[in-house]
Amino acid sequence: KNEVEQSPQNLTAQEGEFITINCSYSVGISALHWLQQHPGGGIVSLFMLSSGKKKHGRLIATINIQEKHSSLHITASHPRDSAVYICAVSLTNTGTASKLTFGTGTRLQVTL
Amino acid sequence: KAGVTQTPRYLIKTRGQQVTLSCSPISGHRSVSWYQQTPGQGLQFLFEYFSETQRNKGNFPGRFSGRQFSNSRSEMNVSTLELGDSALYLCASSLWSPSSYNEQFFGPGTRLTVL
Repeated sequence: KNEVEQSPQNLTAQEGEFITINCSYSVGISALHWLQQHPGGGIVSLFMLSSGKKKHGRLIATINIQEKHSSLHITASHPRDSAVYICAVSLTNTGTASKLTFGTGTRLQVTL
Repeated sequence: KAGVTQTPRYLIKTRGQQVTLSCSPISGHRSVSWYQQTPGQGLQFLFEYFSETQRNKGNFPGRFSGRQFSNSRSEMNVSTLELGDSALYLCASSLWSPSSYNEQFFGPGTRLTVL
């Protein structure tokens, strides 16, 4: 079983829809990261969370440490949001935040 | 402020050869991490460098090595290339402190193809 599980694996939405991507982890973490990867490979860090909730524009990320679960929400989705969204965690037993363990990603396609 | 840069962006090598990839972090960032991304295994941590010292290493064979220079630029080297080493190699830089966790900024990656 992977230490980081994401769902769904693939998601198709129409423009304007509210989107939720889920991430569950099974180990102790120091921080959770949401990353966005567009075709071509470049990765952008969207959020880094250790508790609570963060918002940036139309993106909202939440984390529940007790339940070992995080969600990424996209409000009023747009075709430019089409990308792969990756959840990654910094494990508490590695001594460094930079050793990320990744989920398999959620491929989002937003259509007109 | 310039982002993380990686060179070269694309590389084609043959089995048995070796390759060196370069990463220049964001100015002021002293931590550089390397990751491998393949369709089968996804993203995996290779190693992390801070102040010219390897601080952590992932589960990769000794053919994968790296180093960091005094200006924080980092290189990774893969010797005796295998077909399975074909991947996107990403580096990321961050500020680093022993007591907090910092956002990582990723470079565009180097796509390595081994024939």
